[in-house]
Amino acid sequence: SQTIHQWPATLVQPVGSPLSLECTVEGTSNPNLYWYRQAAGRGLQLLFYSVGIGQISSEVPQNLSASRPQDRQFILSSKKLLLSDSSFYLCAWSTGLAGDNEQFFGPGTRLTVL
Amino acid sequence: GESVGLHLPTLSVQEGDNSIINCAYSNSASDYFIWYKQESGKGPQFIIDIRSNMDKRQGQRVTVLLNKTVKHLSLQIAATQPGDSAVYFCAENSPPGGTYKYIFGTGTRLKVLA
Repeated sequence: SQTIHQWPATLVQPVGSPLSLECTVEGTSNPNLYWYRQAAGRGLQLLFYSVGIGQISSEVPQNLSASRPQDRQFILSSKKLLLSDSSFYLCAWSTGLAGDNEQFFGPGTRLTVL
Repeated sequence: GESVGLHLPTLSVQEGDNSIINCAYSNSASDYFIWYKQESGKGPQFIIDIRSNMDKRQGQRVTVLLNKTVKHLSLQIAATQPGDSAVYFCAENSPPGGTYKYIFGTGTRLKVLA
């Protein structure tokens, strides 16, 4: 069966420090991968998605970037964190196969920027 | 459309009663829909899905209804239990199938009253 992992689960970082959040998927090949952000008490905002290694599409211009160095690894990064980057970050995957649309989420990373 | 920047509406239901959570979707070409349940501090959990060639689909204690004419989706939970308390999101996926972007609804917080 497929599983999706995110780490760390929680992170507290000072303003101006770098960020690296990691997401990995097991049990599937060539998944579509997604990064979302969710502010407290609010809905989901799509940040990036990737349909293959090295292929990244950005949805919202911001202080963040994403990379996909391996088939089942998706990384969210920042060179210098802002206070407004505090949020709950969710990684998700789907097969990307026509007719198979289900999307599954990881447990999330709670980021607090002080 | 995107649910960015919107505070979540709340539905309060007595334990044992039926709950109905509504969602208006944005794209008339969307052909696949998912309902998610999100508990506090956790990633969204897949509940049930429906394709646009169906009007109704039933799961265990849950039913999803799709009205394509008015672009409306609903989730019905029978005999609501305290464990059903969570935030519920709908998501739509547009062709081409299996790709790439899922548009999330605003989300509704369900509170089950003892």
